[in-house]
Amino acid sequence: GQQLNQSPQSMFIQEGEDVSMNCTSSSIFNTWLWYKQEPGEGPVLLIALYKAGELTSNGRLTAQFGITRKDSFLNISASIPSDVGIYFCAGLTTDSWGKLQFGAGTQVVVTP
Amino acid sequence: EAGVAQSPRYKIIEKRQSVAFWCNPISGHATLYWYQQILGQGPKLLIQFQNNGVVDDSQLPKDRFSAERLKGVDSTLKIQPAKLEDSAVYLCASSFGSQETQYFGPGTRLLVL
Repeated sequence: GQQLNQSPQSMFIQEGEDVSMNCTSSSIFNTWLWYKQEPGEGPVLLIALYKAGELTSNGRLTAQFGITRKDSFLNISASIPSDVGIYFCAGLTTDSWGKLQFGAGTQVVVTP
Repeated sequence: EAGVAQSPRYKIIEKRQSVAFWCNPISGHATLYWYQQILGQGPKLLIQFQNNGVVDDSQLPKDRFSAERLKGVDSTLKIQPAKLEDSAVYLCASSFGSQETQYFGPGTRLLVL
């Protein structure tokens, strides 16, 4: 089963609002990834984090690698309609040989 | 650069039938992954190949699922016989190496009736 706890499960927001979601784990990860999946498509990588405390931005997206290495969060600022989709966190451990563990996803709905 | 290709995009079968999915990874990517994504959940790794060898198949239901990557390039995933609970999206991903960024294909949506 899933080892990553992702919240919230869904968010309904108005265009222009900021969005925050987070992911926690009982395990330590050395890499945190955030993906977005749109209907009928596979996940697309948004941001990759490789070091505890790292804060990385990609346009209106900002993600942080928690200092304990057991959590991460993703912020979307000034949401727009095309931000609609399911956002997944995923983590890699040192000995996982590329075996990503995914959270259950946060569904974001943006209304005009 | 072409992305990960998968076919078919959709498949509807009856339980106990067989089905096969095909994946062509990004050129030069040595590592190939098959994931199962059940509705409302994140992807779950089924099998990971490094070139034509299996690295991890611990979560592959081997009594009914099989996968191969004979020439170290494209891969097929087969289910025989299918069960109702196999209804899911089957995602293929590839990466340059096992710790490198994974790029996903569009997936095959399977419905078992």
